[in-house]
Amino acid sequence: DTEVTQTPKHLVMGMTNKKSLKCEQHMGHRAMYWYKQKAKKPPELMFVYSYEKLSINESVPSRFSPECPNSSLLNLHLHALQPEDSALYLCASSQGQGAWNEQFFGPGTRLTVL
Amino acid sequence: TQLLEQSPQFLSIQEGENLTVYCNSSSVFSSLQWYRQEPGEGPVLLVTVVTGGEVKKLKRLTFQFGDARKDSSLHITAAQPGDTGLYLCAGDHNAGNMLTFGGGTRLMVKP
Repeated sequence: DTEVTQTPKHLVMGMTNKKSLKCEQHMGHRAMYWYKQKAKKPPELMFVYSYEKLSINESVPSRFSPECPNSSLLNLHLHALQPEDSALYLCASSQGQGAWNEQFFGPGTRLTVL
Repeated sequence: TQLLEQSPQFLSIQEGENLTVYCNSSSVFSSLQWYRQEPGEGPVLLVTVVTGGEVKKLKRLTFQFGDARKDSSLHITAAQPGDTGLYLCAGDHNAGNMLTFGGGTRLMVKP
């Protein structure tokens, strides 16, 4: 299995809602990532989990809360989002530290905040 | 901040033409990846280069890593409409978990 899966594919939520994005990989990768991508821009790193521990938080607002229940799963909990948070949210995974930091991306969740 | 400059930002060509996309940095990469992304989808990894001077081919795509490992290029021969998409280069400067992305090249190949 060389795939990263993400659910849901699309999500529309109000500013008072609580929702979660889910990501799963079964490649035995030990690093997992959340990125945010706005239209016509490259992905922006939000969080990195390495060996199930949060290793990088790129100054992301607390309304985004990541969780790594185990080495195959990564969640992003959303609460009290703003319309400007509307974007494509991408999950990625890689083997871990090393010269070959190949990251494999999921298909993304298209989030719209009303 | 490690910068990775990608050019051109946008390219519109006719089917059958050749093109080259460039990624440049003032810093050395331990590895560099090229991705292709279609609208509403995640980036798909095309290739990883790690050795200075390395050349890799993927059908009509040729990837080159500079001798000093500070720059890379993607050359597409006889472009086809199916090559249309956003091409992203992404470099790892210190063999860690962070990738620095270039700004992307939006390619449109007209039939």
